[in-house]
Amino acid sequence: DAKTTQPNSMESNEEEPVHLPCNHSTISGTDYIHWYRQLPSQGPEYVIHGLTSNVNNRMASLAIAEDRKSSTLILHRATLRDAAVYYCILRGSNYKLTFGKGTLLTVNP
Amino acid sequence: SQTIHQWPATLVQPVGSPLSLECTVEGTSNPNLYWYRQAAGRGLQLLFYSVGIGQISSEVPQNLSASRPQDRQFILSSKKLLLSDSGFYLCAWSGAGLSTDTQYFGPGTRLTVL
Repeated sequence: DAKTTQPNSMESNEEEPVHLPCNHSTISGTDYIHWYRQLPSQGPEYVIHGLTSNVNNRMASLAIAEDRKSSTLILHRATLRDAAVYYCILRGSNYKLTFGKGTLLTVNP
Repeated sequence: SQTIHQWPATLVQPVGSPLSLECTVEGTSNPNLYWYRQAAGRGLQLLFYSVGIGQISSEVPQNLSASRPQDRQFILSSKKLLLSDSGFYLCAWSGAGLSTDTQYFGPGTRLTVL
């Protein structure tokens, strides 16, 4: 699986938007960009995924660069419950999800 | 709706003892099933995946084995636990046949080997 690069940690204030970046310069044309998050002592939770176009769901938005070499997960209004490790993963035509170290998001009240 | 169960939630076992962790999925048929391990302070590592009954693929050679005796049941086992087997074990499922489909994770089993 192609590699992704994320900042180790980010900090946000409650009720403010959060933009979590991910670089994936070696992405192939068939790789989907998936985002998961893991709250403390819990299993990962699916957040969103996309291929080429920007995507929105009830949890977040995913903005994908035109060349697909980077993407940004957008939490429109961070809450304390959004504090978690966020993983950006490239998913190709196999069954693997290769988790990196992710970004630890801290949300300040 | 689909749900995934894992048990036990926590487990403390001595070195050299056997292990059996169980995962079951409800509300779906013929799911793909996965076992992951997360060592303390590290990322998730895929251990096994299964696309059907009796079909197991191993990702990492190790002290563990997996079995799928029923369509929605996935078991992780060991004959003799090592200290290095300690970690957070997660079971996940995804829709059948769609390798790009979303994976849904269970609550996990925290295993401590002493």
